[in-house]
Amino acid sequence: DAKTTQPNSMESNEEEPVHLPCNHSTISGTDYIHWYRQLPSQGPEYVIHGLTSNVNNRMASLAIAEDRKSSTLILHRATLRDAAVYYCIPRGNYGQNFVFGPGTRLSVLP
Amino acid sequence: NAGVTQTPKFRILKIGQSMTLQCTQDMNHNYMYWYRQDPGMGLKLIYYSVGAGITDKGEVPNGYNVSRSTTEDFPLRLELAAPSQTSVYFCASSYSRGYEKLFFGSGTQLSVL
Repeated sequence: DAKTTQPNSMESNEEEPVHLPCNHSTISGTDYIHWYRQLPSQGPEYVIHGLTSNVNNRMASLAIAEDRKSSTLILHRATLRDAAVYYCIPRGNYGQNFVFGPGTRLSVLP
Repeated sequence: NAGVTQTPKFRILKIGQSMTLQCTQDMNHNYMYWYRQDPGMGLKLIYYSVGAGITDKGEVPNGYNVSRSTTEDFPLRLELAAPSQTSVYFCASSYSRGYEKLFFGSGTQLSVL
């Protein structure tokens, strides 16, 4: 399984963009990059995923480096509800181990 | 669709008791997972299954057992409960392909006293 490195914590002001980085230098060519988040006292929830090109959905955008060794989750306008722990997880085809690292704890200041 | 359903939501056990945490999914997912999350910590993989009849250990399997007799169900058994097993337990499921996302249940809060 590819190893990931994320900052332990980050802070953002409400209504400002947030860029959450993830390094995954050992990722294989067929691994998808998944992002999940866990709101306080809740189970994790899916945010976004991608393979090579940048991806957008209603929650966030995912920017993937050209060499795929890193990616950035972008929240375009942080809200108080976005305060959570964000996890970056590479996942290969038929990859059994969906392993969560420590993630990044995002605080959003009003 | 109900998604991933876990029961019970809360449980208090005495040391040495046994119990089974239930997990069922109605999405016909072949992969299922059990995680535990201690207070203020990240998720640790206990056991996983890639299909009916196939299970394998994750990072922290000691003190737990699982079975997967059907695609839908993946119960987690605690034998001889210990205080160290006080945690929140999450069940999750997905299809096998790399682009398929993981769906989580709402969790079981377990206290062993």
